[in-house]
Amino acid sequence: SQQGEEDPQALSIQEGENATMNCSYKTSINNLQWYRQNSGRGLVHLILIRSNEREKHSGRLRVTLDTSKKSSSLLITASRAADTASYFCATDPSRGSTLGRLYFGRGTQLTVWP
Amino acid sequence: GAGVSQSPRYKVAKRGQDVALRCDPISGHVSLFWYQQALGQGPEFLTYFQNEAQLDKSGLPSDRFFAERPEGSVSTLKIQRTQQEDSAVYLCASSPGRSFYEQYFGPGTRLTVT
Repeated sequence: SQQGEEDPQALSIQEGENATMNCSYKTSINNLQWYRQNSGRGLVHLILIRSNEREKHSGRLRVTLDTSKKSSSLLITASRAADTASYFCATDPSRGSTLGRLYFGRGTQLTVWP
Repeated sequence: GAGVSQSPRYKVAKRGQDVALRCDPISGHVSLFWYQQALGQGPEFLTYFQNEAQLDKSGLPSDRFFAERPEGSVSTLKIQRTQQEDSAVYLCASSPGRSFYEQYFGPGTRLTVT
């Protein structure tokens, strides 16, 4: 399978704490994207990191990419109760796949307690 | 501006019935993707359109699944003779380009086959 796998499957923290989620994948990629899904809703794009980038920031989000280890991490700083959601990494493989087709992992369920 | 919309939001079908799920992408978006998301899983790719051309349908699980985008905008996913295993959330996403772009997801259609 080419899909990413997130770790941990579930994460429970207090408001104000940082949350770190990891993603591992198997094939070379064009880019890796992180999405958030609130219960019963569609996915919302958070950040895209290209294969030649190592780190990217967006507000309270920080994403790293290590192509040698085929892994990525998503850090949410100073978490809020509104960050409670499922977080998915999605890979856009560079070979052997339709360009632009995303492969999703099973997600990390993040719960932030007030 | 308006995002991706899908209709219906919920659909209950008796086994053996045919269903049609509609996706209205963001105006001007060239790429359109359909994904299937089972409970507790990440989205799985079904098919991809670039304008009106269906360039990849390798993710469609059987020949009971059919998708079209005749004028390069609205798309319909049709499932014939529904089975219980078809129960899932069907997500549509559109994108301005083919790769290296974020995908904008609709809210999904939750299909329950009884």
